[in-house]
Amino acid sequence: GDSVTQMEGPVTLSEEAFLTINCTYTATGYPSLFWYVQYPGEGLQLLLKATKADDKGSNKGFEATYRKETTSFHLEKGSVQVSDSAVYFCALSEGGSEKLVFGKGTKLTVNP
Amino acid sequence: GAVVSQHPSWVICKSGTSVKIECRSLDFQATTMFWYRQFPKQSLMLMATSNEGSKATYEQGVEKDKFLINHASLTLSTLTVTSAHPEDSSFYICSASIGLGDTEAFFGQGTRLTVV
Repeated sequence: GDSVTQMEGPVTLSEEAFLTINCTYTATGYPSLFWYVQYPGEGLQLLLKATKADDKGSNKGFEATYRKETTSFHLEKGSVQVSDSAVYFCALSEGGSEKLVFGKGTKLTVNP
Repeated sequence: GAVVSQHPSWVICKSGTSVKIECRSLDFQATTMFWYRQFPKQSLMLMATSNEGSKATYEQGVEKDKFLINHASLTLSTLTVTSAHPEDSSFYICSASIGLGDTEAFFGQGTRLTVV
């Protein structure tokens, strides 16, 4: 079945550092790919998404590119802030379905 | 974005009792709601999909008699954990979406269930 593997944390960075959280997937078809973020005490929020190969999703300075050849959707940000401290989940859905398959989540802590 | 409210945020119950968790879409009508379960350091696992006015569709391995799901209106779905046991202790999360297709799912803040 479909699966998502993401870099295990926790990840601790200093403010303004470069962030990469790796995510790879296994799917039978051509999935849509997502990054969700969960801030402390809040529900998951959609951060960005890409629906086809070579699409780049971006939001709040974060970017991820749908790489079909490497089945990856790595999350990047050039300069993290303390307010980016959260848990980040990579996810996929198949065929326009709203059913999501999640990775385990990566906890990011950004220190001032 | 749309708001999904989940209640309670945490609950402790005794073994053998039942616990009800509510998931409400506050500012939109949710045709479909999803219930997930998350174990420590594990990913969210989809338990079931509920559509308003019809029976929920459970994922393989999820006991439908143990995890009762009701989606009686377009703004409310409930998950009842019946005859709870310590192994049911987990973090339960709901999400709601407006309709079919590539639409965004909005998540509740989750419910931490501890069965003692």
